[in-house]
Amino acid sequence: EILLTQSPATLSLSPGERATLSCRASRSIATYLAWYQQKPGQAPRLLIYDASNRAAGVPARFSGSGSGADFTLTISSLEPEDFAVYYCQHRSNWLFGGGTRVEIK
Amino acid sequence: EVQLAESGGGLEQPGTSLRLSCAASGFNFGNFAMSWVRQAPGKGLEWISSSSGSGAGTYYANSVKGRFTVSRDNSKNILYLQLSSLRAEDTAVYYCAKTLAPGTPRPTFFDSWGQGTLVTVSS
Repeated sequence: EILLTQSPATLSLSPGERATLSCRASRSIATYLAWYQQKPGQAPRLLIYDASNRAAGVPARFSGSGSGADFTLTISSLEPEDFAVYYCQHRSNWLFGGGTRVEIK
Repeated sequence: EVQLAESGGGLEQPGTSLRLSCAASGFNFGNFAMSWVRQAPGKGLEWISSSSGSGAGTYYANSVKGRFTVSRDNSKNILYLQLSSLRAEDTAVYYCAKTLAPGTPRPTFFDSWGQGTLVTVSS
């Protein structure tokens, strides 16, 4: 079973800073990876699919990269509404990583 | 506009059963695989079950296999999750989610989500 490990668990940054989140698969998954954002009390929101494609309505400051086993979600300049928990997900077994919380420093 | 609305959650005793529903609108329901994802209080997301668009294909996480059953009524645009032999560890918010692309036999990524329904299992 392919597992996803996200790091760091928590990222403390200030608005305007760049955020770099990592998701590592236990073996190669090509580009079969998505990123979701979840704010407190809300359902998750799809941000990125197939590793690098932005979902509809997602701002350009969100970008995804990677292939094989190592993936990155980058938020180029944090807006106040970006402080949330981010999950990666594998397309083939639908399992999620443990999440990274992006909090205000 | 795609809308998903879960219902059926509540406080249940261990060992009992419960059926959750997810009413869908705004898209051709029968063309899309659908899934259930849960989130225990303060924890991460856990995929638990999926159904192909026709309902012929069903998929389950090991944690619920044999206890939960996913089904759908494409004439009513409703996805169901039958929960049986409930355990305390099944306590969670249960979300239904729509897959990104139509016509795929298996779900891919989840582009629309409901607001969830809370299931609490406690004696």
